[in-house]
Amino acid sequence: DIQMTQSPSSVSASVGDRVTITCRASQGISGWLAWYQQRPGKAPKILIYATSSLRGGVPSRFSGSGSGTDFSLTISSLQPEDFATYFCQQSFTFPRTFGQGTKVEIK
Amino acid sequence: QVQLRESGPGLVKPSETLSLNCIVSGFPISSGGFHWSWIRQHPGKGLEWIGYIYYNGRSDYSPSLKSRVTISLDTSKNEISLILNSVTAADTAVYYCAAEGVSGDYSFDYWGQGTLVTVSS
Repeated sequence: DIQMTQSPSSVSASVGDRVTITCRASQGISGWLAWYQQRPGKAPKILIYATSSLRGGVPSRFSGSGSGTDFSLTISSLQPEDFATYFCQQSFTFPRTFGQGTKVEIK
Repeated sequence: QVQLRESGPGLVKPSETLSLNCIVSGFPISSGGFHWSWIRQHPGKGLEWIGYIYYNGRSDYSPSLKSRVTISLDTSKNEISLILNSVTAADTAVYYCAAEGVSGDYSFDYWGQGTLVTVSS
């Protein structure tokens, strides 16, 4: 299985801050990397697929980048509704695997 | 707009069988387009992919669950199902059905609201 490792596991930030979350795969995944946002008690919601493609309706303050085994999600200016947990996920091969999550908390 | 809704018992006894259904609306599961998937989340933990089924019956499962899990589809009801045998407390989780796009994105585009299953006597 491909292991996905996110860092940090949590981050405290203020509204307006720039936040970057990283995700490392245990082997190359050819850019097949997605990011999800999960608010408490809710299902995950797709933000970005194929490393950097923003899903329709997702604010442009979210962006993704990376290649090979190293990827990142950046929120350019944190908004109150962005305080949530974020997961990366590889779709290069089966079984699909997720990172352990990064919780973005209010400072 | 694709919508998914899980249903099933919230409490299952150890060693028994967990059985969940997921009704899909807004898209015929018989027409391809998505891997119909199950994903679970242990309380306060990350996401674990369980497996998927495609409209033509092709399926794949997590190696760690493969010996106990079956995913099936009923095109007449537009529904997918999950069966997990011989459950233990470690199977207590929120179970989600999700639709993974297969047209170049391969991301879980649509999710059900999730259903909590507790394994306890």
